[in-house]
Amino acid sequence: AQTVTQSQPEMSVQEAETVTLSCTYDTSESDYYLFWYKQPPSRQMILVIRQEAYKQQNATENRFSVNFQKAAKSFSLKISDSQLGDAAMYFCAYSLSGSEKLVFGKGTKLTVNP
Amino acid sequence: DAGITQSPRHKVTETGTPVTLRCHQTENHRYMYWYRQDPGHGLRLIHYSYGVKDTDKGEVSDGYSVSRSKTEDFLLTLESATSSQTSVYFCAIIGGPGLATEAFFGQGTRLTVV
Repeated sequence: AQTVTQSQPEMSVQEAETVTLSCTYDTSESDYYLFWYKQPPSRQMILVIRQEAYKQQNATENRFSVNFQKAAKSFSLKISDSQLGDAAMYFCAYSLSGSEKLVFGKGTKLTVNP
Repeated sequence: DAGITQSPRHKVTETGTPVTLRCHQTENHRYMYWYRQDPGHGLRLIHYSYGVKDTDKGEVSDGYSVSRSKTEDFLLTLESATSSQTSVYFCAIIGGPGLATEAFFGQGTRLTVV
């Protein structure tokens, strides 16, 4: 079974600084999708960024970018110029192409200090 | 926002009573999912549906049943609620086979079993 591991239960960053959240996953498949979701205190689940495994180029969305290392099965999220609104739980998730079940990591709580 | 709503948003119930949570979508998506979220566990899949009357178990299905008589509605039932089922429950819809583009989540239901 596929598993997703987030080794950092909590992280903190100063406003305007850069922070990287770690995620590793275990799969024997070659075609899959990886996601980062943000969950603010409102409980809403918000898609931050998505990466298709067949794409070598790392995905970016404004201040959010990933470092996708397929051989190492690593998928880290970098948040640049951190803002107070970035404070939230962040979940890494995996989905096997053709099977839309999302497998989630346990989450990383990000605190942004002013 | 995707048209997906959960009801109720909050519920307190007594041990041993039956509870039904409802997920309603207006997107005509074939696939629907129920997850539970607990501190330190991330989101774990309870049950999912790949069509009307077509459902299957996830990783934490014990004590739960589901039904889907219409495309738009996916019901989660706790036949006899226990304190271990105190959790936040999320319904999600995800693109069809091969799409896996994005999951849309309901706002969540906070269930407390006393």
